Amino acid sequence: QKEVEQDPGPLSVPEGAIVSLNCTYSNSAFQYFMWYRQYSRKGPELLMYTYSSGNKEDGRFTAQVDKSSKYISLFIRDSQPSDSATYLCAMSAKAAGNKLTFGGGTRVLVKP
Amino acid sequence: DTAVSQTPKYLVTQMGNDKSIKCEQNLGHDTMYWYKQDSKKFLKIMFSYNNKELIINETVPNRFSPKSPDKAHLNLHINSLELGDSAVYFCASSQDVAGPYEQYFGPGTRLTVT
Repeated sequence: QKEVEQDPGPLSVPEGAIVSLNCTYSNSAFQYFMWYRQYSRKGPELLMYTYSSGNKEDGRFTAQVDKSSKYISLFIRDSQPSDSATYLCAMSAKAAGNKLTFGGGTRVLVKP
Repeated sequence: DTAVSQTPKYLVTQMGNDKSIKCEQNLGHDTMYWYKQDSKKFLKIMFSYNNKELIINETVPNRFSPKSPDKAHLNLHINSLELGDSAVYFCASSQDVAGPYEQYFGPGTRLTVT
């Protein structure tokens, strides 16, 4: 079993809908949680970063962390066709510094 | 002006060959990484260098050898290529190793071993 689990999708939604993505993890030492977006044939780019539990909002994006359940989520409001991409969660432990453990990614398709 | 660049973008080669992938970053970062992304999009760290010093060396076959001539460059040499080495290899960099700092990824090198 992988340390970080993520539903591979694909997740298909109509334009304007809310996209809901999540990851579960097993390592209780993880304290830093990130979401990366990866367009086809491109490198991942950082979308959101949160430390420990709680919510963080940035424009149409909201990241949530529930450390007690070892569960993190990313919500995309008013989704656009340009949001069609693979979304990867990533996390690291404080002691591990910049060593990121990634989920397998969820492919999202927003249909106009 | 590309922040993290990799060459080549595509690499098709036969089993048993030796090949190299080059990476350069112009962000002034101290830390660089190599990741492997398999066909199921699973991204896994292979190596990390901080200021030319190896700091992360995951369970990777000895056929893979990273080299950092200076902190702006991190190359990956692969000996005796195998079919299972086919993947997309990403280079990344971050400000420092103490982190976590945002990691900036290159465009990837798609390696196909036939």
